[in-house]
Amino acid sequence: DAGITQSPRHKVTETGTPVTLRCHQTENHRYMYWYRQDPGHGLRLIHYSYGVKDTDKGEVSDGYSVSRSKTEDFLLTLESATSSQTSVYFCAISERDEQFFGPGTRLTVL
Amino acid sequence: DQQVKQNSPSLSVQEGRISILNCDYTNSMFDYFLWYKKYPAEGPTFLISISSIKDKNEDGRFTVFLNKSAKHLSLHIVPSQPGDSAVYFCAASGNFGNEKLTFGTGTRLTIIP
Repeated sequence: DAGITQSPRHKVTETGTPVTLRCHQTENHRYMYWYRQDPGHGLRLIHYSYGVKDTDKGEVSDGYSVSRSKTEDFLLTLESATSSQTSVYFCAISERDEQFFGPGTRLTVL
Repeated sequence: DQQVKQNSPSLSVQEGRISILNCDYTNSMFDYFLWYKKYPAEGPTFLISISSIKDKNEDGRFTVFLNKSAKHLSLHIVPSQPGDSAVYFCAASGNFGNEKLTFGTGTRLTIIP
């Protein structure tokens, strides 16, 4: 299994609070991604990174920001959480063709 | 605008029979296609892929077929086993998977013992 961890695994927060999710890899892969999974939508890309300090937006980036200061860590921040951001968030990494996914973080915004 | 579509939300198949999962895409720039399998409370795991220069790729019980003219791909699982019960996502990329993947909405496969 690819060495990908996500923290926290579960989080409940209130509307308007900032939230940061962490993705950590031990594979030294160049590319890292953040997705959200919602019923009826599959997996949708939020942001991705193609190197340290190099990031770009995905299809559902509004309300999210990311940072990658080290190869192994990719942070996803919700500056002011809203109920529509209740979801399961997955981090993924890749070096060549396939992306490998972390175990996910279930976030509930009340 | 759903560029990758899985029109069957669910599928039930008898154990030992063939499971066929379908996926359609609209973007002709896609040139690499992947299937992922997902169990509850776990991340998706890569299953099999195919590039647009091929029309078939096989790996054990799993075969993916690509029909570029119809913009259609399918995943065949034969014989189906109870452990195959999961949600299956197809995904597509325009750059051999190294950058953005576009996922379908998933098909829940249930194998009936």
